[in-house]
Amino acid sequence: ETGVTQSPTHLIKTRGQQVTLRCSSQSGHNTVSWYQQALGQGPQFIFQYYREEENGRGNFPPRFSGLQFPNYSSELNVNALELDDSALYLCASWATGYGNQPQHFGDGTRLSIL
Amino acid sequence: DQQVKQNSPSLSVQEGRISILNCDYTNSMFDYFLWYKKYPAEGPTFLISISSIKDKNEDGRFTVFLNKSAKHLSLHIVPSQPGDSAVYFCAATAGGTSYGKLTFGQGTILTVHP
Repeated sequence: ETGVTQSPTHLIKTRGQQVTLRCSSQSGHNTVSWYQQALGQGPQFIFQYYREEENGRGNFPPRFSGLQFPNYSSELNVNALELDDSALYLCASWATGYGNQPQHFGDGTRLSIL
Repeated sequence: DQQVKQNSPSLSVQEGRISILNCDYTNSMFDYFLWYKKYPAEGPTFLISISSIKDKNEDGRFTVFLNKSAKHLSLHIVPSQPGDSAVYFCAATAGGTSYGKLTFGQGTILTVHP
């Protein structure tokens, strides 16, 4: 069983640029969530995708957007990068429709904004 | 608005002893609770969960206790091992259409000394 994989592992960008982060969900999972983890904090929910549509969003501005593809993989796009966007970005997947169950996380993408 | 709080930033325990990590929450809509362990440079790894219909769940060395009236949960690790040294996060979510958005605490750094 393949777990959640994210790419790239690390990324360095400058203010104002745009970035795309990628996530392959665990085999058998149809739902993906994205989280931002700042240093010394717990992960903060950005949004989740099910059936290729966003169906839940946290307190993040519209310049954070996402996509989910028919194979359940997902992208997180961030436009007009700001210094505060420097963080670890985590993707998690699970299977909707089977009751409460844990979300399984990838190892994240470390994004640094200069 | 910190809906999930882990008030102890760190905990140090001797190998073989019990580790007790605590977590408080404020949102009465939360009905599913999870504990994750995180090593540096890795994503959070699911440990154990509990639904609000239960007050205890065990899995090997790990036991989670839920006190709904106090809005408090705890994770017990017995016996503690040096490999348990990591950051531990508690997380909570509401069911139904709100399921998926995990709200995390700030984490507790557990150090188990040989």
